[in-house]
Amino acid sequence: LAKTTQPISMDSYEGQEVNITCSHNNIATNDYITWYQQFPSQGPRFIIQGYKTKVTNEVASLFIPADRKSSTLSLPRVSLSDTAVYYCLVGGRGGFKTIFGAGTRLFVKA
Amino acid sequence: GAGVSQSPSNKVTEKGKDVELRCDPISGHTALYWYRQSLGQGLEFLIYFQGNSAPDKSGLPSDRFSAERTGGSVSTLTIQRTQQEDSAVYLCASSLAPGGQGDSPLHFGNGTRLTVT
Repeated sequence: LAKTTQPISMDSYEGQEVNITCSHNNIATNDYITWYQQFPSQGPRFIIQGYKTKVTNEVASLFIPADRKSSTLSLPRVSLSDTAVYYCLVGGRGGFKTIFGAGTRLFVKA
Repeated sequence: GAGVSQSPSNKVTEKGKDVELRCDPISGHTALYWYRQSLGQGLEFLIYFQGNSAPDKSGLPSDRFSAERTGGSVSTLTIQRTQQEDSAVYLCASSLAPGGQGDSPLHFGNGTRLTVT
């Protein structure tokens, strides 16, 4: 399983764009990159997933450079309700377990 | 449709007692996972079930922990002779396909908060 490295915490203000970068130097050819969001007292929630280049949905964008050794989750115009822990996972298909790292704790201030 | 359901949502037990935690995955999901999350910490993998294959138990912290999945659906995590260090939130997740990757992300329940006194 590819190991991931993320910042432990980040602070931002309402209305700003937040970019959280995840390093995964030993990503394998068939690995996907997936991001989850976790609020207090809830289980993690899927945000976005990508394999290469850029993926965008109604919640976020995911930027993946050509070498795929890192990825950046972009949250446009964050609000107080985006305060949460964000996890980056890397892995492929097949019968293996999914391991979560420590995640990035994002704190959005008014 | 219904998401992953876990019960009870909260459980307080005395040290030395056994507890059972239940997980109802999303219908049709073949993969099921149990994680443990201590206060302010990340998720610790415990066990993984995939279809009829033998479960991956490599994350279970001791032989006091066990889990089963009946009929490929409901799962029960059992902790015997509970200790105070077992206090944590126990999260269950399911996915449509193996591994929770590809186009099959994990869907989590809201967990069972276990407190051992």
